[in-house]
Amino acid sequence: DQQVKQNSPSLSVQEGRISILNCDYTNSMFDYFLWYKKYPAEGPTFLISISSIKDKNEDGRFTVFLNKSAKHLSLHIVPSQPGDSAVYFCAAPGEETSGSRLTFGEGTQLTVNP
Amino acid sequence: GAVVSQHPSWVICKSGTSVKIECRSLDFQATTMFWYRQFPKQSLMLMATSNEGSKATYEQGVEKDKFLINHASLTLSTLTVTSAHPEDSSFYICSARVPTGLNNEQFFGPGTRLTVL
Repeated sequence: DQQVKQNSPSLSVQEGRISILNCDYTNSMFDYFLWYKKYPAEGPTFLISISSIKDKNEDGRFTVFLNKSAKHLSLHIVPSQPGDSAVYFCAAPGEETSGSRLTFGEGTQLTVNP
Repeated sequence: GAVVSQHPSWVICKSGTSVKIECRSLDFQATTMFWYRQFPKQSLMLMATSNEGSKATYEQGVEKDKFLINHASLTLSTLTVTSAHPEDSSFYICSARVPTGLNNEQFFGPGTRLTVL
């Protein structure tokens, strides 16, 4: 059962435009979400997170939106830069209060064209 | 942010040999570390949760006798792939949970590319 889903395996945008990466989840108990960015042959790096008490969290060019009723979150990158080209994973911690593992989506390959 | 290292970054071995991968938290102590594997163009698949001082917790379908995990100290966890076969070739990534960090935030190592001939 894939509790975190990223239905778009790839996304291509032009430099300077907005990139919107989507993520859906099925477990209503998830109350915290994280986005990770991953370059080939490297480990993921933390990008931004959001708690379920918020519907928006912004950090520079990155903004994450959470729609709890739709069980949907999205990551907006604006303006997009070629260096943003990477695979983006959304993730949610399990229900344990400590040592909780992360459930990852399948990832979306973002390509930003110069 | 917190730094997690992995060694080696890549390894090529013959079928039937065992390979040990180290995961270290460099500037913090991690009671919990996680081991993932990633096949090309696929998501990160959690293999096991490594707990310092106790046995690892393996995910369903992961053979504990094949993927031996030892969390010997608060800064080191090792994954040993025993009797490796070509189908074990993959990108193995560890992560460590920062005890005082954001809720369940994990920092990842750079990964180890294993190729079994």
